[in-house]
Amino acid sequence: AQSVTQPDIHITVSEGASLELRCNYSYGATPYLFWYVQSPGQGLQLLLKYFSGDTLVQGIKGFEAEFKRSQSSFNLRKPSVHWSDAAEYFCAVGPQGGGYNKLIFGAGTRLAVHP
Amino acid sequence: EAGVTQFPSHSVIEKGQTVTLRCDPISGHDNLYWYRRVMGKEIKFLLHFVKESKQDESGMPNNRFLAERTGGTYSTLKVQPAELEDSGVYFCASSQDERLEQYFGPGTRLTVT
Repeated sequence: AQSVTQPDIHITVSEGASLELRCNYSYGATPYLFWYVQSPGQGLQLLLKYFSGDTLVQGIKGFEAEFKRSQSSFNLRKPSVHWSDAAEYFCAVGPQGGGYNKLIFGAGTRLAVHP
Repeated sequence: EAGVTQFPSHSVIEKGQTVTLRCDPISGHDNLYWYRRVMGKEIKFLLHFVKESKQDESGMPNNRFLAERTGGTYSTLKVQPAELEDSGVYFCASSQDERLEQYFGPGTRLTVT
Protein backbone atom coordinates (compact mmCIF):
# COMPACT_ATOMS: atom_id res chain seq x y z
CA ALA A 1 0.00 0.00 0.00
CA GLN A 2 1.14 3.52 -0.70
CA SER A 3 2.12 5.40 2.43
CA VAL A 4 4.24 8.20 3.82
CA THR A 5 5.99 7.99 7.18
CA GLN A 6 7.18 10.93 9.20
CA PRO A 7 8.84 9.28 12.21
CA ASP A 8 9.07 12.40 14.35
CA ILE A 9 5.78 13.74 15.67
CA HIS A 10 7.36 16.63 17.59
CA ILE A 11 10.77 18.24 17.23
CA THR A 12 12.20 21.09 19.26
CA VAL A 13 15.25 23.03 18.15
CA SER A 14 16.96 26.21 19.24
CA GLU A 15 16.84 29.25 17.02
CA GLY A 16 19.84 29.24 14.75
CA ALA A 17 20.32 25.48 14.94
CA SER A 18 20.13 23.24 11.92
CA LEU A 19 17.05 21.19 11.18
CA GLU A 20 16.29 17.91 9.44
CA LEU A 21 12.79 16.48 9.20
CA ARG A 22 12.54 12.91 8.04
CA CYS A 23 10.19 11.48 5.45
CA ASN A 24 10.06 7.96 4.04
CA TYR A 25 7.57 6.70 1.50
CA SER A 26 6.29 3.43 0.20
CA TYR A 27 5.19 3.60 -3.43
CA GLY A 28 5.13 1.39 -6.51
CA ALA A 29 7.37 3.71 -8.50
CA THR A 30 9.16 6.99 -7.93
CA PRO A 31 6.39 9.42 -7.11
CA TYR A 32 6.24 13.15 -7.13
CA LEU A 33 7.37 14.36 -3.69
CA PHE A 34 6.29 17.42 -1.75
CA TRP A 35 6.80 19.21 1.54
CA TYR A 36 4.05 21.44 2.87
CA VAL A 37 4.03 23.68 5.94
CA GLN A 38 1.06 24.79 7.98
CA SER A 39 1.42 27.76 10.28
CA PRO A 40 -1.28 28.41 12.89
CA GLY A 41 -4.48 29.63 11.27
CA GLN A 42 -3.07 29.23 7.79
CA GLY A 43 -3.59 26.78 4.98
CA LEU A 44 -0.97 24.34 3.80
CA GLN A 45 1.77 26.11 1.89
CA LEU A 46 4.03 24.31 -0.55
CA LEU A 47 7.69 24.54 0.49
CA LEU A 48 9.20 22.54 -2.34
CA LYS A 49 8.60 19.68 -4.71
CA TYR A 50 10.56 17.03 -6.58
CA PHE A 51 9.43 15.76 -9.94
CA SER A 52 12.66 14.64 -11.60
CA GLY A 53 16.26 15.69 -12.23
CA ASP A 54 18.55 17.03 -9.53
CA THR A 55 17.85 15.15 -6.33
CA LEU A 56 18.63 18.18 -4.16
CA VAL A 57 15.70 20.54 -4.35
CA GLN A 58 15.64 24.13 -3.15
CA GLY A 59 12.46 25.61 -1.79
CA ILE A 60 11.12 28.74 -0.22
CA LYS A 61 12.12 30.15 3.17
CA GLY A 62 15.61 28.66 2.92
CA PHE A 63 14.48 25.03 2.96
CA GLU A 64 15.91 22.24 0.86
CA ALA A 65 15.18 18.53 0.51
CA GLU A 66 17.11 15.61 -0.88
CA PHE A 67 15.53 12.69 -2.69
CA LYS A 68 17.30 9.40 -2.04
CA ARG A 69 15.83 6.66 -4.17
CA SER A 70 17.77 3.87 -2.46
CA GLN A 71 16.34 4.87 0.92
CA SER A 72 12.89 5.93 -0.31
CA SER A 73 13.44 9.14 1.58
CA PHE A 74 12.84 12.83 1.02
CA ASN A 75 14.20 14.60 4.10
CA LEU A 76 13.70 18.31 4.62
CA ARG A 77 16.59 20.45 5.86
CA LYS A 78 17.35 23.99 6.87
CA PRO A 79 20.82 25.14 8.00
CA SER A 80 19.62 27.76 10.49
CA VAL A 81 16.13 27.79 11.95
CA HIS A 82 14.23 31.00 12.66
CA TRP A 83 11.53 31.40 15.29
CA SER A 84 9.01 31.94 12.49
CA ASP A 85 9.65 28.39 11.26
CA ALA A 86 7.63 27.00 14.15
CA ALA A 87 4.79 25.19 12.40
CA GLU A 88 3.65 21.76 11.32
CA TYR A 89 5.35 20.16 8.35
CA PHE A 90 3.85 17.57 6.05
CA CYS A 91 5.55 15.33 3.55
CA ALA A 92 3.37 14.12 0.66
CA VAL A 93 3.60 12.01 -2.48
CA GLY A 94 1.62 12.10 -5.67
CA PRO A 95 1.36 9.84 -8.70
CA GLN A 96 4.00 10.47 -11.32
CA GLY A 97 3.14 10.86 -14.94
CA GLY A 98 -0.17 11.95 -16.30
CA GLY A 99 -3.37 12.01 -14.40
CA TYR A 100 -4.65 13.83 -11.41
CA ASN A 101 -2.55 14.69 -8.44
CA LYS A 102 -4.10 12.78 -5.53
CA LEU A 103 -1.76 13.48 -2.68
CA ILE A 104 -0.88 11.03 0.09
CA PHE A 105 0.32 12.74 3.24
CA GLY A 106 2.36 11.77 6.23
CA ALA A 107 1.06 12.41 9.74
CA GLY A 108 3.06 15.62 10.08
CA THR A 109 5.92 16.83 12.27
CA ARG A 110 5.29 19.71 14.63
CA LEU A 111 8.31 21.94 15.01
CA ALA A 112 8.88 24.11 18.08
CA VAL A 113 11.68 26.68 18.11
CA HIS A 114 13.30 27.85 21.35
CA PRO A 115 14.73 31.38 21.45
CA GLU B 1 -5.13 37.16 -6.09
CA ALA B 2 -7.36 35.66 -3.41
CA GLY B 3 -6.42 32.24 -2.17
CA VAL B 4 -8.63 29.28 -1.42
CA THR B 5 -11.22 30.20 1.17
CA GLN B 6 -13.26 27.94 3.37
CA PHE B 7 -16.30 28.58 5.49
CA PRO B 8 -16.88 28.22 8.35
CA SER B 9 -13.50 28.12 10.01
CA HIS B 10 -14.93 26.12 12.89
CA SER B 11 -18.20 24.27 13.38
CA VAL B 12 -19.48 22.50 16.47
CA ILE B 13 -22.52 20.31 16.01
CA GLU B 14 -24.22 17.47 17.83
CA LYS B 15 -24.22 13.91 16.64
CA GLY B 16 -27.05 13.37 14.19
CA GLN B 17 -27.11 16.94 12.92
CA THR B 18 -26.22 18.11 9.45
CA VAL B 19 -23.33 20.36 8.53
CA THR B 20 -22.36 21.90 5.23
CA LEU B 21 -18.84 23.07 4.55
CA ARG B 22 -18.05 25.43 1.74
CA CYS B 23 -14.93 25.93 -0.34
CA ASP B 24 -14.21 28.71 -2.80
CA PRO B 25 -11.24 27.81 -5.00
CA ILE B 26 -8.89 30.23 -6.65
CA SER B 27 -10.64 31.83 -9.60
CA GLY B 28 -10.00 29.93 -12.81
CA HIS B 29 -8.95 26.70 -11.10
CA ASP B 30 -10.87 23.84 -12.63
CA ASN B 31 -9.54 21.25 -10.21
CA LEU B 32 -10.88 21.16 -6.66
CA TYR B 33 -9.97 18.66 -3.98
CA TRP B 34 -11.28 17.84 -0.53
CA TYR B 35 -9.07 16.32 2.14
CA ARG B 36 -9.63 15.50 5.80
CA ARG B 37 -7.39 15.20 8.82
CA VAL B 38 -8.81 13.26 11.72
CA MET B 39 -7.39 13.32 15.26
CA GLY B 40 -3.91 14.53 14.30
CA LYS B 41 -3.40 11.70 11.85
CA GLU B 42 -2.60 11.86 8.18
CA ILE B 43 -4.35 14.25 5.87
CA LYS B 44 -6.41 11.98 3.65
CA PHE B 45 -7.83 12.57 0.20
CA LEU B 46 -11.60 12.57 -0.05
CA LEU B 47 -12.43 13.52 -3.62
CA HIS B 48 -11.48 15.50 -6.70
CA PHE B 49 -13.64 17.63 -8.98
CA VAL B 50 -12.76 18.75 -12.46
CA LYS B 51 -15.11 21.64 -13.04
CA GLU B 52 -18.47 20.31 -11.91
CA SER B 53 -17.68 16.63 -12.45
CA LYS B 54 -16.42 14.22 -9.83
CA GLN B 55 -13.15 12.83 -11.16
CA ASP B 56 -12.42 10.62 -8.19
CA GLU B 57 -14.43 10.13 -5.01
CA SER B 58 -12.61 7.05 -3.80
CA GLY B 59 -11.71 8.66 -0.49
CA MET B 60 -15.23 9.48 0.63
CA PRO B 61 -15.79 7.55 3.87
CA ASN B 62 -19.45 6.60 3.37
CA ASN B 63 -22.75 7.80 1.98
CA ARG B 64 -23.25 10.28 4.80
CA PHE B 65 -20.89 12.55 2.90
CA LEU B 66 -22.09 14.41 -0.18
CA ALA B 67 -19.96 16.78 -2.19
CA GLU B 68 -21.21 19.07 -4.91
CA ARG B 69 -19.76 21.66 -7.19
CA THR B 70 -22.59 23.23 -9.08
CA GLY B 71 -21.47 25.42 -11.94
CA GLY B 72 -17.89 24.40 -11.47
CA THR B 73 -17.11 27.21 -9.05
CA TYR B 74 -17.45 26.78 -5.30
CA SER B 75 -17.97 23.40 -3.70
CA THR B 76 -19.91 22.18 -0.69
CA LEU B 77 -19.35 19.12 1.45
CA LYS B 78 -22.36 18.01 3.43
CA VAL B 79 -22.25 15.55 6.29
CA GLN B 80 -25.65 14.11 7.16
CA PRO B 81 -26.11 12.83 9.79
CA ALA B 82 -22.84 13.66 11.50
CA GLU B 83 -21.13 11.07 13.70
CA LEU B 84 -18.46 11.53 16.36
CA GLU B 85 -15.76 10.05 14.12
CA ASP B 86 -16.38 12.78 11.54
CA SER B 87 -14.62 15.31 13.77
CA GLY B 88 -11.47 16.69 12.23
CA VAL B 89 -10.16 19.36 9.94
CA TYR B 90 -11.49 19.44 6.39
CA PHE B 91 -9.18 20.99 3.82
CA CYS B 92 -10.01 22.16 0.37
CA ALA B 93 -7.43 22.67 -2.36
CA SER B 94 -7.51 23.81 -5.95
CA SER B 95 -5.20 23.69 -8.92
CA GLN B 96 -5.24 25.11 -12.41
CA ASP B 97 -4.10 21.84 -13.89
CA GLU B 98 -4.23 18.43 -12.26
CA ARG B 99 -0.48 18.09 -12.66
CA LEU B 100 0.31 21.38 -11.01
CA GLU B 101 0.59 22.57 -7.45
CA GLN B 102 -2.45 22.33 -5.25
CA TYR B 103 -3.22 25.45 -3.23
CA PHE B 104 -4.81 24.73 0.11
CA GLY B 105 -7.31 26.65 2.15
CA PRO B 106 -7.01 27.13 5.93
CA GLY B 107 -9.42 24.28 6.65
CA THR B 108 -12.67 23.93 8.54
CA ARG B 109 -12.41 22.39 11.97
CA LEU B 110 -15.48 20.22 12.57
CA THR B 111 -16.29 19.06 16.07
CA VAL B 112 -19.11 16.59 16.54
CA THR B 113 -20.25 16.18 20.16
